[in-house]
Amino acid sequence: EAEVAQSPRYKITEKSQAVAFWCDPISGHATLYWYRQILGQGPELLVQFQDESVVDDSQLPKDRFSAERLKGVDSTLKIQPAELGDSAMYLCASSQGQLYGYTFGSGTRLTVV
Amino acid sequence: GQQLNQSPQSMFIQEGEDVSMNCTSSSIFNTWLWYKQDPGEGPVLLIALYKAGELTSNGRLTAQFGITRKDSFLNISASIPSDVGIYFCAGLVKGAQKLVFGQGTRLTINP
Repeated sequence: EAEVAQSPRYKITEKSQAVAFWCDPISGHATLYWYRQILGQGPELLVQFQDESVVDDSQLPKDRFSAERLKGVDSTLKIQPAELGDSAMYLCASSQGQLYGYTFGSGTRLTVV
Repeated sequence: GQQLNQSPQSMFIQEGEDVSMNCTSSSIFNTWLWYKQDPGEGPVLLIALYKAGELTSNGRLTAQFGITRKDSFLNISASIPSDVGIYFCAGLVKGAQKLVFGQGTRLTINP
């Protein structure tokens, strides 16, 4: 069964450092999402891509977060500088555009110390 | 913004018992989804509901899309140890492909 690949699985970084996460969606999925999930809460959308274009980044803290999907395939989410409050699970998901194709990766667990 | 209120926040039950949880919103959603998340993993889709009033089953799981399109419930019958985890409801925002999630229901099963 096709999967959404994310790396790394775990990341510990010091505050004020830069950190990056990578996501490889299911082949052929045009829509890619980055969600942030704080412990004990549901996931919240950070950014949505359609191919290489950003469709929705209204909840992305743009002063420190950036996301790109240059060739419309894999994607990178960056935080610079990281803050203690950024500690969370960062989930990537992809979709063919139909809801049944909305699949999540296993996430990257970020801890900022 | 749009919010989903999920209840209960946690449940402690005996193996074999039935489970019921629900999700309500002040907003209308065209699609309701139920996910299960195991520790350290991403959410996995359990059931998707596309029409108001729809009742859908997936094995021991049954979910319904409320008539008002503002609520949904999930039932699990004859719970087993592997049902342990966090269950999330999610609503699809009209006109978009993004999901709004509830806060989750943590299910714990005593053998």
